[in-house]
Amino acid sequence: QVQLVQSGAEMRKPGASVKVSCKASGYIFSNFAMHWVRQAPGQRLEWMGFISAENHHTKYSQKFQDRLTISRDASATTAYMELSSLSAEDTAVYYCARHDDVLTGTFDPWGQGTLVTVSS
Amino acid sequence: EIVMTQSPATLSVSPGGRAILSCRASQSVSTNLAWYQAKPGQPPRLLIYGASTRATDIPARFSGSGSGTEFTLTISSLQSEDFAVYYCQQYNFWPPWTFGQGTKVDI
Repeated sequence: QVQLVQSGAEMRKPGASVKVSCKASGYIFSNFAMHWVRQAPGQRLEWMGFISAENHHTKYSQKFQDRLTISRDASATTAYMELSSLSAEDTAVYYCARHDDVLTGTFDPWGQGTLVTVSS
Repeated sequence: EIVMTQSPATLSVSPGGRAILSCRASQSVSTNLAWYQAKPGQPPRLLIYGASTRATDIPARFSGSGSGTEFTLTISSLQSEDFAVYYCQQYNFWPPWTFGQGTKVDI
């Protein structure tokens, strides 16, 4: 079945960077774009950015434009999200989600989530 | 950016009862609206897309309706596993894709 498995929880100090991975299986990885979404405590889901399927084009939310990098490795069927210049406000659960433009036009499925804690 | 507003914030329902959740968009999103279910410690799961189409393996007790700016998710005959947080998402105008703040359905 289609599955996205993310890397484990991370703890960082303010100003540091974090890189989260998302390993895909059960489908042709190169055929689908991948999104990253986060949810801070008590906040709504927040779209961060995505990377396209074929040409690896990226699009980022203006909020994260200057410090977010999304990449993908087709040989490893893995997508990555790297966020730099972390602050306490970046403490959140980070999700990858496949863009299903074949059937639903939206995000399906999602990875299990990765908790990133930023604290001094 | 399209702002999605859900109501109520919390909905208390008895098992076997019916839950009606609302989602409003700040401008028309046609029927490009999805509903997700999220349980503690689990990722969101797609329930409904296209405002009214159930995703794969979603039980018939979940139904969606609406178009434009007003949408409804109805859960008939609530089961114990349905107590969760539900989010709506628009995918008509992007980026960004935007989500509502969620409705918690509890006992």
